[in-house]
Amino acid sequence: DGGITQSPKYLFRKEGQNVTLSCEQNLNHDAMYWYRQDPGQGLRLIYYSQIVNDFQKGDIAEGYSVSREKKESFPLTVTSAQKNPTAFYLCASSDGQGAGGYTFGSGTRLTVV
Amino acid sequence: KNEVEQSPQNLTAQEGEFITINCSYSVGISALHWLQQHPGGGIVSLFMLSSGKKKHGRLIATINIQEKHSSLHITASHPRDSAVYICAVPAAGNKLTFGGGTRVLVKP
Repeated sequence: DGGITQSPKYLFRKEGQNVTLSCEQNLNHDAMYWYRQDPGQGLRLIYYSQIVNDFQKGDIAEGYSVSREKKESFPLTVTSAQKNPTAFYLCASSDGQGAGGYTFGSGTRLTVV
Repeated sequence: KNEVEQSPQNLTAQEGEFITINCSYSVGISALHWLQQHPGGGIVSLFMLSSGKKKHGRLIATINIQEKHSSLHITASHPRDSAVYICAVPAAGNKLTFGGGTRVLVKP
C-alpha cells in the first residue's frame, strides 16, 4: 500500500547538534511538505517542495534546511540555529489536486535536551 | 489566506456521551480534512470530505460548503477517543491551513 513513512517516531538530541528527520513517500506525489506543531498550537508550514530539486520556505523556515533530490524523499534538517527545536514534526505529500490529494505521515516528536 | 477556527478548544465528556467538534473557515474550499492525534502520538487521518457526510465506526463528519463549516461527531464516546482533533483546509499554492485543534477528554 502507498503511504508516507516518517522515521523515527521519537528522537532525542543534545542541544547544538544538527538532526535530520526522514520523510519518504511511495505515492508518486510531486509535492511534499513539512509542518511543525508546538504544544497547544496549530501546525505551521516550515518548507514545501512542489517538484524535485525545488523547494520554498514556509512561514517558519528559520533554523531549518531541506533537500529534494529524489521525488520520494524530502528530509528536514533541524540546525543548531533553530532556537526552540523541541516540537512535533509532520510530513505530508500531495498530488496537486487540492486538499483531496493530501496524505499525511504519522509524525516525529523531537526533543532536544 | 484561509482562516480556520475550531471550537471548542477543550472538551470533557463522560463515557457514552455524544460529542461535537466544529470547524469554520473563511474561504471556499474543495475539500477538508479531519485528523486525530493521541497524546504523545502521531497523526492519523480520519476523513477527507468535500460534501455531505461521511461515517466511520462511531465517527461522523459533515460539511456545509455554503456555510463554510464542518463538524466532527463522536457517538457513544469512549476513553480511547481522548485525543486532539484537527481540521485542515486548502490554502494558496496547494498548501494546507490547520485549525488549532480540539482537545477531547472522555472520562470513564
